[in-house]
Amino acid sequence: DQQVKQNSPSLSVQEGRISILNCDYTNSMFDYFLWYKKYPAEGPTFLISISSIKDKNEDGRFTVFLNKSAKHLSLHIVPSQPGDSAVYFCAPSQLNSGGSNYKLTFGKGTLLTVNP
Amino acid sequence: GAGVSQSPSNKVTEKGKDVELRCDPISGHTALYWYRQSLGQGLEFLIYFQGNSAPDKSGLPSDRFSAERTGGSVSTLTIQRTQQEDSAVYLCASSPPSGSGTDTQYFGPGTRLTVL
Repeated sequence: DQQVKQNSPSLSVQEGRISILNCDYTNSMFDYFLWYKKYPAEGPTFLISISSIKDKNEDGRFTVFLNKSAKHLSLHIVPSQPGDSAVYFCAPSQLNSGGSNYKLTFGKGTLLTVNP
Repeated sequence: GAGVSQSPSNKVTEKGKDVELRCDPISGHTALYWYRQSLGQGLEFLIYFQGNSAPDKSGLPSDRFSAERTGGSVSTLTIQRTQQEDSAVYLCASSPPSGSGTDTQYFGPGTRLTVL
């Protein structure tokens, strides 16, 4: 029972173009959504997040959009650079009774390749 | 500064043996997490330690798995009587004290466990 689905295992884009990575979830109780980036042989690193009270959050070249009614979020990278080539994980969480969002549920990830 | 470190980086063991995986979190981080990533899957939450509170062990897949965090710092994940399905990359993360509840998790490079 996959609560978080990243339906594209891989994506290839040309340098300078936009990369769009998608994520769908089923748990309507998720209220905080994170994106992590992972290079080979390294642990994931935090990239950007969005709270359920917002529908957009922007940080430099990275923008995350959240559509709560569709239970869908997307990560836009523009312009894409070869150094962005990595696996991107969508990781929503749900606020628990203690007021913390620590328990992340990860998707399987999307391998982004940015070609020079 | 030093990030999260894990040892060993690779571990090959025979089915039925016990293994111990070690995590050194970032100094001053009060929260520590263990995840595992099986081949082709996303990260799966295993256990969460926060200060002196009782750990959240809800993600441990069986009673063969246990974890300790001594002195609020170093953590050891122990897998007893290993099975082939335990083969995965085991990732540790830590996060600093925060009142917001949405703590950014900093990941180590992981330990790749192979059970023959």
